[in-house]
Amino acid sequence: EAQVTQNPRYLITVTGKKLTVTCSQNMNHEYMSWYRQDPGLGLRQIYYSMNVEVTDKGDVPEGYKVSRKEKRNFPLILESPSPNQTSLYFCASSLGAGGDTQYFGPGTRLTVL
Amino acid sequence: SQQGEEDPQALSIQEGENATMNCSYKTSINNLQWYRQNSGRGLVHLILIRSNEREKHSGRLRVTLDTSKKSSSLLITASRAADTASYFCATVRQGTYKYIFGTGTRLKVLA
Repeated sequence: EAQVTQNPRYLITVTGKKLTVTCSQNMNHEYMSWYRQDPGLGLRQIYYSMNVEVTDKGDVPEGYKVSRKEKRNFPLILESPSPNQTSLYFCASSLGAGGDTQYFGPGTRLTVL
Repeated sequence: SQQGEEDPQALSIQEGENATMNCSYKTSINNLQWYRQNSGRGLVHLILIRSNEREKHSGRLRVTLDTSKKSSSLLITASRAADTASYFCATVRQGTYKYIFGTGTRLKVLA
């Protein structure tokens, strides 16, 4: 089944404790992206990747890192999480960039205390 | 950062009625997409309309695009309780690979 998976689905952590949210897709998509969703603000793009080893900042990249060492995986790293990073995070992938249909993962609800 | 805007923010209708929601955006685009989100779950793609198209249909969905006004509308005809969800428009800023999502319209269809 074609899908985007994220882990963990729920995470409660404390300020400053490094964490990684994994994202994997099995559709051989080139474009992958991370979003955060906050009430009243819609989805905001954090980082995206055009292909292996090619990443770029979205609109809200501060406090996040990403890597794309393999085509299928695109982990999101929070090296020193802070309470303002409490949010619902989505990973998405698409065949290409420039407006192709995106396929979304189920989301990761992160709480930083 | 620039964001799309959906209007209205929330809409409540009776089953069988039509639901119309609007999206405005700020930059030139290649295409515009509509997505649906059920209660905190992942978004699901509904329909894509290209910048050279004015109207597109898919089942009970009708999308229009007016590039001169930088706006789009999504019409859901003969709505059902299962259509209850949030609906988002999304564009890619022309010349970039960055997606911009609107703030969404929360639709509630009453049985």
